[in-house]
Amino acid sequence: EIVLTQSPTTMAASPGEKVTLTCLASSSVNYMYWYQQKSSASPKLLIYYTSSLASGVPDRFSGSGSGTSYSLTISSMEAEDAAIYYCLQLTSTPLTFGSGTKLEIK
Amino acid sequence: EVQLQQSGAELGKPGTSVKLSCKVSGYNIRNTYMHWVNQRPGKGLEWIGRIDPANGNTIYAEKFKSKATLTADTSSNTAYMQLSQLKSDDTAIYFCAMWETPFAYWGQGTLVTVSS
Repeated sequence: EIVLTQSPTTMAASPGEKVTLTCLASSSVNYMYWYQQKSSASPKLLIYYTSSLASGVPDRFSGSGSGTSYSLTISSMEAEDAAIYYCLQLTSTPLTFGSGTKLEIK
Repeated sequence: EVQLQQSGAELGKPGTSVKLSCKVSGYNIRNTYMHWVNQRPGKGLEWIGRIDPANGNTIYAEKFKSKATLTADTSSNTAYMQLSQLKSDDTAIYFCAMWETPFAYWGQGTLVTVSS
């Protein structure tokens, strides 16, 4: 099973601040996917194929990485970005999510 | 427009079973995998397994192999998940999802509460 480790677990950012979240995989994966979840609502896809922006997602979000190390960046934090962010690997079963990063607004 | 409509909240007693449904509109489930994910109170997302509705083939995460049973009815375009031998630890929101890159479609979630 591929374990995804996200860091930090929790963080707070000021409006306009640049935010970088990381996801480390225990084995190499082909791509990383990133989701945003608010409350217990259905997760929303932000990034697919590591760096492609999902439809309707603001371009302040971006993704990068390869192999075992991936990141999600918000170029300029906005209040509406306060949420929990999960990475997801679809390379091998069982599919696995990271444990999440809770991002708060200062 | 693709929509996944899940069945309503369930209250199950310990040791019993519940069966959740996920009706898909706007897409033929024969052409995709249907995934199920859970989220325990205050916890993260956990993949349970997936079914290929075209042939009924399933893959489960190890910890759910004796807990969840995934089925699908292509005639009604609906996926199902049965949870058996319910325990308090099964209390969670259960989501169905279709991941057709570059799109990802999720149901609204079904809350299952296990309590005597």
